[in-house]
Amino acid sequence: QVHLQASGPGLVKPSETLSLTCTVSGASMSLYYWSWIRQPPGKGLEYIGNIYYSGNPNYNPSLKSRVSISVDTSKNQLSLNLSSVTAADTAVYFCARGYHAGRPYYMGVWGKGTTVTVSS
Amino acid sequence: EIVLTQSPATLSLSPGERATLSCRASQSVSSYLAWYQQKPGQAPRLLIYDSSNRATAIPARFSGSGSGTDFTLTIGSLEPEDFAVYYCHQRSNWPFTFGQGTKLEIK
Repeated sequence: QVHLQASGPGLVKPSETLSLTCTVSGASMSLYYWSWIRQPPGKGLEYIGNIYYSGNPNYNPSLKSRVSISVDTSKNQLSLNLSSVTAADTAVYFCARGYHAGRPYYMGVWGKGTTVTVSS
Repeated sequence: EIVLTQSPATLSLSPGERATLSCRASQSVSSYLAWYQQKPGQAPRLLIYDSSNRATAIPARFSGSGSGTDFTLTIGSLEPEDFAVYYCHQRSNWPFTFGQGTKLEIK
């Protein structure tokens, strides 16, 4: 059974870069799209971007100048980098896998989420 | 960017009652709409995709309908574990977007 676990620093200083890793276990990353979604405290979900297992990331234009998503299938890891963070980037960050190859853009498997606070 | 507007913001019902949640898109998303359930402290769970298809292991009391700009999630007879926040999500146009959520609470 596939399992996703997001991890990274829980506290990031303003203007620095937030770096998160999502480790995938129990299945290969092949043939799926992988996404990052975030949720500010007490608020709704925001789609950050996605990437196919072979590369080719897509970013939300609202974050495009600051975000980078990559995948390392040899390590079974998905990564997120968000630069020049501010307090508005404080959120729970989720990684997720596409539902299945025929419906790749719906998030069928989610990690538990990791909380990131931006504060000095 | 396609804006999804969910209504009502909060729905207060009792177990055994029927729940009807709405999601309206600012422009057509065809049938490329999904519904997710999120409980406190948990990740969302995919319930419905392509407007009306139940995801794996989702109980039959959950059903979805609609196309274009107007969509509905119906929960036929509420179980205690159904009280949660529900989000709609469109994958028709980039960037993918979510509605602001409907909180289903126990009356």
